Order: sequence, then structure tokens, then C-alpha cells
Amino acid sequence: SQTIHQWPATLVQPVGSPLSLECTVEGTSNPNLYWYRQAAGRGLQLLFYSVGIGQISSEVPQNLSASRPQDRQFILSSKKLLLSDSGFYLCAWRKSGSSYNEQFFGPGTRLTVL
Amino acid sequence: EDQVTQSPEALRLQEGESSSLNCSYTVSGLRGLFWYRQDPGKGPEFLFTLYSAGEEKEKERLKATLTKKESFLHITAPKPEDSATYLCAVHYSGQGAQKLVFGQGTRLTINP
Repeated sequence: SQTIHQWPATLVQPVGSPLSLECTVEGTSNPNLYWYRQAAGRGLQLLFYSVGIGQISSEVPQNLSASRPQDRQFILSSKKLLLSDSGFYLCAWRKSGSSYNEQFFGPGTRLTVL
Repeated sequence: EDQVTQSPEALRLQEGESSSLNCSYTVSGLRGLFWYRQDPGKGPEFLFTLYSAGEEKEKERLKATLTKKESFLHITAPKPEDSATYLCAVHYSGQGAQKLVFGQGTRLTINP
């Protein structure tokens, strides 16, 4: 069975500090990978997605970047955090080459920027 | 313009009191409508996928239905453990990499 991991679970960072959030998927190969942000009381905003190693598409211009150095690893980064970067960050995967479009989510990372 | 709208934003029910949550969408070329359950501080948990009007899916006390413009999540005789935020999302033609567009969610509370 497939499993998706995210770490850290919670993070408190000062404004201007760097960020690195990691997501890994087990039990599947060449998944589509997604980063979302969920602000308090709001829906999910798609930030980045990747269909393969080194292939990153950005949905919203912002202070963040993403990388996919390995098939099942997806990293969300920032060089300098802003207050507005606070939120709940979710990684998701989808089985590529499938006619089914369900995405499956990780446990999330709660980021607070002070 | 919002493509996916969920209503109500919040719903409070007594245990055993059945009700329905609504998800309306304005996209054309629907390729799938998805329901998720999200507990506080957790990632969304996949519940159902609906692909065509008239389709229904059931799981325990939940039943999802789909028309050409909206989907309903019916909750029959709910229990307190059904309390969560329910999210719907759509995938439609033209959306590369099977991207999903999410609604804002309905926060459901079941009182014992």
C-alpha cells in the first residue's frame, strides 16, 4: 500500500528565515506530486505540482519554490519567509497514467511565521 | 468567479438528525468530482469520486450523489464521530496534470 509522509509536523520560524518542507511517498513509482496551502478556515490553494523528477509547475507567483530531486521526494522551500507564508501545508500524490484522478494527502505541516 | 461553491459553510446537527451538504460547480467538461473529509490539524481523507450525472456512492452513513451542476453529500443518522470539515473538489477538461479545484468546505458538527 502507498504511504505519504511529511515533516516536520509543526514549525515556528522568524520572518526572513529560510524554509524547507519535505514530502516522500512510498509504495508507488512516478507519482504526480502536489503542494497545497490551506489558510485558516479556507480551502486548499494549489502551489506547485510535478509530473516527474526535476519537472515543477508553479500555480501562484510567490515567495516559495519547489523541487523534486528524486522520484518520490518533493520539497517546498523559501529563502526568506514572510508573515503571509503562515499556514497549513499539504503534500498530495496521484497515481500517474491512471484514469482515476483521486489525490491522496499527507498529514500536513503547520507553519507559523513570527 | 468561484468554480466550486460549498454550502452551508457550517452545519450543526443533533446525533441522528440526517441532512445534506451541497457542492455546486460551474466548470464545463467535468472529469470527476471528489469528496474528502478533513479532521482538525490533519490532511484530507479521500471519501468518494463521482464521474457522471446520476452516479451515487455510499460509505457507512454517507452517500454522495451527482447532477450536472451539483453534488450532495447525504449524512444519515450521523454520530459525533462524523464531525469534520467536508471538502469537495472537481477535475475538469483542460486542467493539466489532473489538477483539482477545491471548494471552501463545510464544517459539520454533530452534537451528542
